[in-house]
Amino acid sequence: DTGVSQNPRHKITKRGQNVTFRCDPISEHNRLYWYRQTLGQGPEFLTYFQNEAQLEKSRLLSDRFSAERPKGSFSTLEIQRTEQGDSAMYLCASSAPPGTQGNPYEQYFGPGTRLTVT
Amino acid sequence: GENVEQHPSTLSVQEGDSAVIKCTYSDSASNYFPWYKQELGKRPQLIIDIRSNVGEKKDQRIAVTLNKTAKHFSLHITETQPEDSAVYFCAASKSTGGSNYKLTFGKGTLLTVNP
Repeated sequence: DTGVSQNPRHKITKRGQNVTFRCDPISEHNRLYWYRQTLGQGPEFLTYFQNEAQLEKSRLLSDRFSAERPKGSFSTLEIQRTEQGDSAMYLCASSAPPGTQGNPYEQYFGPGTRLTVT
Repeated sequence: GENVEQHPSTLSVQEGDSAVIKCTYSDSASNYFPWYKQELGKRPQLIIDIRSNVGEKKDQRIAVTLNKTAKHFSLHITETQPEDSAVYFCAASKSTGGSNYKLTFGKGTLLTVNP
């Protein structure tokens, strides 16, 4: 499967614990995005990277959230001191650089990591 | 920032009928408008998109129209089939130089196609 992959697919944690999610984008996609989706809502933007540079973070993203993309390939999203309100589906997406074949504007989504904070 | 409103939140049609979902956006600088389909428990998948230099785009049974002046765009599905049943999301983004930035999504429309 050459699509976007995310691990783990499900995570259950107790309030106050730290969690880390991983996203592997489509090979050679230079942009990588993190979104959060709660039940009955559309995905909500969290942050995005161009190669290894984090170019934008949502104002909604508290300082408990941090994301990295150290070598411009996979990315990790860490949530420290989880709260029940962090329970959601965390989606990763990637898009190709300009000039490549296909639709350069399309964001390809991964299957998501479902986080449940008890 | 950008705000995208989507209506209706639920839509039920008979197989073979048409379905229309409407979205409005607030930021006149937005110039890329994709529509995603999300089946239960699955990832969002792009079904059609339009850029602001085009007023309408069709792909088989699916079409999207854009009115830049009014800042609204719509998804049209003709000859609906049960497999069209899913949640549909509209989104808006600014794109420059062949790349786009964050997507701002609407809240989604649950489409049910009754056989």
